[in-house]
Amino acid sequence: SQQGEEDPQALSIQEGENATMNCSYKTSINNLQWYRQNSGRGLVHLILIRSNEREKHSGRLRVTLDTSKKSSSLLITASRAADTASYFCATDSRGSTLGRLYFGRGTQLTVWP
Amino acid sequence: NAGVTQTPKFQVLKTGQSMTLQCAQDMNHEYMSWYRQDPGMGLRLIHYSVGAGITDQGEVPNGYNVSRSTTEDFPLRLLSAAPSQTSVYFCASSFLGGPTDTQYFGPGTRLTVL
Repeated sequence: SQQGEEDPQALSIQEGENATMNCSYKTSINNLQWYRQNSGRGLVHLILIRSNEREKHSGRLRVTLDTSKKSSSLLITASRAADTASYFCATDSRGSTLGRLYFGRGTQLTVWP
Repeated sequence: NAGVTQTPKFQVLKTGQSMTLQCAQDMNHEYMSWYRQDPGMGLRLIHYSVGAGITDQGEVPNGYNVSRSTTEDFPLRLLSAAPSQTSVYFCASSFLGGPTDTQYFGPGTRLTVL
């Protein structure tokens, strides 16, 4: 399966600390995306990084991609209680149907005030 | 734009009943898909469509049917509900071949099969 796997499954930190989540995948990709899901809601796209990029920033988010290790990390700096959510990585797959994404099982992040 | 809408938000069925989960998007997206989300399992793809009249199976298609008669709508039919289909169902849509492959998700339908 191409499915990405996030690590850790759960992460608990204090406000102001940084949160780092990792994602590993199995086959070659065109791009990797991170999504966020608040409890009881749908997923919301956070950031996309292409296979020819190594690092990307968006506000307090920093994503890295290492295609040689087939892994990515999501760093949330200066976390806030409102960042409490589940975070999922999603990959496409070269040679797979255009548009199809493979999701991991997610990291549950809890940020304590 | 309303984005991706799903109805109903909640549904309880008895084993053997059938029903249709509705999904609509107003962004003129070619690609639409249905996922189910179970605790500890992440999102699993049920069926997807790359355009009107074109559908295909995902990872877990058994027990579900789809059709895509218009660009906007992508209903998911449960033929004969089983307790194993108790889950949260998400519909998503995206452009194909655009500058990003961002998927837009609906709010979900929470289904319980007794």
